[in-house]
Amino acid sequence: DQQVKQNSPSLSVQEGRISILNCDYTNSMFDYFLWYKKYPAEGPTFLISISSIKDKNEDGRFTVFLNKSAKHLSLHIVPSQPGDSAVYFCAASGGYGGATNKLIFGTGTLLAVQP
Amino acid sequence: DAGVIQSPRHEVTEMGQEVTLRCKPISGHDYLFWYRQTMMRGLELLIYFNNNVPIDDSGMPEDRFSAKMPNASFSTLKIQPSEPRDSAVYFCASRDQIREYFGPGTRLTVL
Repeated sequence: DQQVKQNSPSLSVQEGRISILNCDYTNSMFDYFLWYKKYPAEGPTFLISISSIKDKNEDGRFTVFLNKSAKHLSLHIVPSQPGDSAVYFCAASGGYGGATNKLIFGTGTLLAVQP
Repeated sequence: DAGVIQSPRHEVTEMGQEVTLRCKPISGHDYLFWYRQTMMRGLELLIYFNNNVPIDDSGMPEDRFSAKMPNASFSTLKIQPSEPRDSAVYFCASRDQIREYFGPGTRLTVL
């Protein structure tokens, strides 16, 4: 049972335009959310995170939005660059028992930014 | 720091053979995680350790999988016997107080 879902396996965007990657979750106990970026033949690297007490967090070209009522978060990349082409994983952690210490990942979205 | 180190980077073996994957976490990190990446399930947490003690192994798929952390600087994930459906990329990650840092992964192919 996937508690964190990324329903779009892939996304293609033109350079300079906005990329929007979406993520849904089912567990209302999740209170911390992260996005990781993965290039081929490398491990995932941390990109940006958001706590459930916020609805937006921004870091340069990257902004994450959280809609707790809809159990939905999104990552916006503006403007998109060819170097942003990678697999993006959404992850969540929850405040119940030991689960604060582990991340639940989605299946990933492959972003391709076309020059 | 060299980051999380995993070996081997690639492993090709035949069904029924034993496979051992190795990980050296970042020095000073108290948590170590083993993940498996597949197309269908994305990144699945297999097991994690805190201060060398296994905390949650609920993600380990079968008894064929086992993991150890004999000291703070080394962990192994063993599959015995291996099966073709075990083919995947296996990641090790360690964590400081804030977030996880992943190794480059081991691509395992079981023929």
